[in-house]
Parts: sequence; structure tokens; C-alpha cells
Amino acid sequence: KQEVTQIPAALSVPEGENLVLNCSFTDSAIYNLQWFRQDPGKGLTSLLLIQSSQREQTSGRLNASLDKSSGRSTLYIAASQPGDSATYLCAVLNSGYSTLTFGKGTMLLVSP
Amino acid sequence: EADIYQTPRYLVIGTGKKITLECSQTMGHDKMYWYQQDPGMELHLIHYSYGVNSTEKGDLSSESTVSRIRTEHFPLTLESARPSHTSQYLCASSKDSPTRNTIYFGEGSWLTVV
Repeated sequence: KQEVTQIPAALSVPEGENLVLNCSFTDSAIYNLQWFRQDPGKGLTSLLLIQSSQREQTSGRLNASLDKSSGRSTLYIAASQPGDSATYLCAVLNSGYSTLTFGKGTMLLVSP
Repeated sequence: EADIYQTPRYLVIGTGKKITLECSQTMGHDKMYWYQQDPGMELHLIHYSYGVNSTEKGDLSSESTVSRIRTEHFPLTLESARPSHTSQYLCASSKDSPTRNTIYFGEGSWLTVV
């Protein structure tokens, strides 16, 4: 059974810092990996999707990498802003592309 | 901007009541999902569907039921609500494609059973 782990569980940084969120998964037979953002009491917003054949994806200040063989992904946030404060979730689409398995998320707080 | 809508957003009901949470999407997606999330906890898949007349149970056992009569509509029903059903329920949808399958979520339905 696929398991997704996210480290750290929580992170607090001052505005302007570059930061890295980590995601690991136990079964490398995945189709893709997605990073989401969730604001309190809201649904999830898709940030980046990396296909299993890709190594990284970029969107603005966000960069996500994927090392499928080692079961790891990182989300890099450059020049963090208070508006980046949210919970960031990693999810993998398992082989057979039937369902996503989510990690528990990293709660990020960026202080002014 | 994702076009997936959930109603109601917030609901407080009494024990034993029947409740249906509505979910609709206008993107023509074949696959739809229901996730349950307790505050501060991870998401758990409770139901999903590959298309019309297709429903499957997810990883987390749930006393709820779903139906998929129309592509755009995937309602979730609790026949007799209990306090243990208090949670946030998130609906999502995606294309049925291994290469173009970004999943889009609704805003969620917060259910409180008293």
C-alpha cells in the first residue's frame, strides 16, 4: 500500500527566505505527483503536477522536483511571502491511475 | 479556475437525519472523488467514480453512499447522520487520462452532527 510522508510537519520562516518542503513515497510505481495548497477551511488548489517521466516543474516562485527511483519530491519556494502561508500537500497518482494518495501536509507560516 | 461546486458549504444537523452533499463540475471530467478530512488531519478517499453508473469505495470505510447518474453530478448521502460523521467533505474531479489528470477540488462541505 502506498504511503506518503511529508517533512517537516510545520515550518515557520521570516518573509524573504527560500525554503524546501519534502515529500517521500514508498511505492515508486506512480504516474505522477502533485503538490497542492490548502488554506484554512478551504479546498485544495493544485500548484504543480510532475509526470513520472519528468524531473521538475516550475511555476513562478515555485519549483518542484521528482526523483521517482528514490521515492522523493521537493517543493522549493523562493523569496517566501506572508501570502504563502498555508498547508502544502503532496499526492501521488498510483499505478493504474485510479486514486491519489496524500501526505499529511506541511503547515507553513511566513511572518512579515 | 476550477469549475467544481459543493453545496452546502456549512451544515449543522441533528443525529439520525438524512443528508445529501451535492457536488457538480462543469469540466466534463469522467473521474470524480469524495475525500473526508478531519481538522488538521490528512485526506482520506471514501468514494470515487470512473464515469456514469460507476462507483467505487475508497481507502477509508464510510457509511455514506454515492451515485453517478450524470457525468457532472456526484452526490454523497448519509442515511442517518451521527456525531462521528462530523468532518469536512471534499469533492474532486479529473480527466481519465494518465498524462492529463490534474485533480481539481471543490471548496468543501463542513458537516457538524449534533
